[in-house]
Amino acid sequence: DAGVTQSPTHLIKTRGQQVTLRCSPKSGHDTVSWYQQALGQGPQFIFQYYEEEERQRGNFPDRFSGHQFPNYSSELNVNALLLGDSALYLCASSLDSGWSIYNEQFFGPGTRLTVL
Amino acid sequence: QQPVQSPQAVILREGEDAVINCSSSKALYSVHWYRQKHGEAPVFLMILLKGGEQKGHEKISASFNEKKQQSSLYLTASQLSYSGTYFCGTDAGNNRKLIWGLGTSLAVNP
Repeated sequence: DAGVTQSPTHLIKTRGQQVTLRCSPKSGHDTVSWYQQALGQGPQFIFQYYEEEERQRGNFPDRFSGHQFPNYSSELNVNALLLGDSALYLCASSLDSGWSIYNEQFFGPGTRLTVL
Repeated sequence: QQPVQSPQAVILREGEDAVINCSSSKALYSVHWYRQKHGEAPVFLMILLKGGEQKGHEKISASFNEKKQQSSLYLTASQLSYSGTYFCGTDAGNNRKLIWGLGTSLAVNP
């Protein structure tokens, strides 16, 4: 079992550009959550996808959008990048049991995004 | 509302004990504990649910005081492998999202 995988590992972009990050969940998991983790901070919840729909969203602007595919993999898109978007972006997968927040989340290694 | 973790940092010698606290200004439905080692992804430790149910590793213990809206993680007979940053995530119920604290940095030295 490969666990949760994310790509790319590192990314450097300039202000105003757009970026797409990818996540493949752990085998058997159907729910994907995305987090932003700034240096020295805890993860900040961006949104969660289940059955190809955004089920819950944190306090992030519309520049942050996502998608979940039929195979449960997911993408995070960020438009009009700002310097403050520089962070580690973590993807976590879990198995929905009708209330998946109460199931263990498995995190991927993250994508380190640097905006110059 | 972001939960408050205390202390911010702890330095232990191998074999010593530590307690990490997580408190919220809101009524909580569940508290989640994760550990993140430098440069690695967070790893699940425990979930404590309102009503007393727990899910987690046998070697890690924690408590959840619903009335005080706080949880404590107990690390006994610490090992070098316990080093890392411990995060608590809280959920106020019915919204499927966790709000994470800023973390407690734990260093265990030989």
